[in-house]
Amino acid sequence: DAEITQSPRHKITETGRQVTLACHQTWNHNNMFWYRQDLGHGLRLIHYSYGVHDTNKGEVSDGYSVSRSNTEDLPLTLESAASSQTSVYFCASSAGGRVNEQFFGPGTRLTVL
Amino acid sequence: AQSVTQPDIHITVSEGASLELRCNYSYGATPYLFWYVQSPGQGLQLLLKYFSGDTLVQGIKGFEAEFKRSQSSFNLRKPSVHWSDAAEYFCAVGPYNQGGKLIFGQGTELSVKP
Repeated sequence: DAEITQSPRHKITETGRQVTLACHQTWNHNNMFWYRQDLGHGLRLIHYSYGVHDTNKGEVSDGYSVSRSNTEDLPLTLESAASSQTSVYFCASSAGGRVNEQFFGPGTRLTVL
Repeated sequence: AQSVTQPDIHITVSEGASLELRCNYSYGATPYLFWYVQSPGQGLQLLLKYFSGDTLVQGIKGFEAEFKRSQSSFNLRKPSVHWSDAAEYFCAVGPYNQGGKLIFGQGTELSVKP
């Protein structure tokens, strides 16, 4: 069965370190998204991609970057981790086109000390 | 700007009772609408979606939702809640001209009393 996976599931890091969160989908979806989930804020879009070599900023992109070198993967990098980036991060994918349902990964809980 | 409002942050219902979770959206045209459920420690799972047609849509796990254009609402309902329905529920809107992006509400946490 097709799926979307994230790794690691839990990560503790220190302020200032670079961190990369992996997202891999086997749906062959063109669209991929990264969200962060914080209490009281729901899900907020960080970055998204509509295909290979395409990346776009979401509403909370400062301090994050992504790159898309193939269809299956969209890694999220925190260039210099800050305590404010402690959160749960979700990756999602959807088929291309105007609007389609998004399929979510299980999430990565990141703690920045 | 498009937005989604879920007025209830937390709701508690008794097992077997009916449930209605509210969702209001702000958007100039008919949007695509979704309800997702998130169990503790899990990702989001799609419950149901509305794209067009019949305004009452059926989803998984016995849930349904009704799109009311005049009220800009897409409320989620279930006639009889089970203890396993305890979770967080998110309403989302997908503007047709924003290439697949979804805008999520802040979520409603559902607790179920035995």
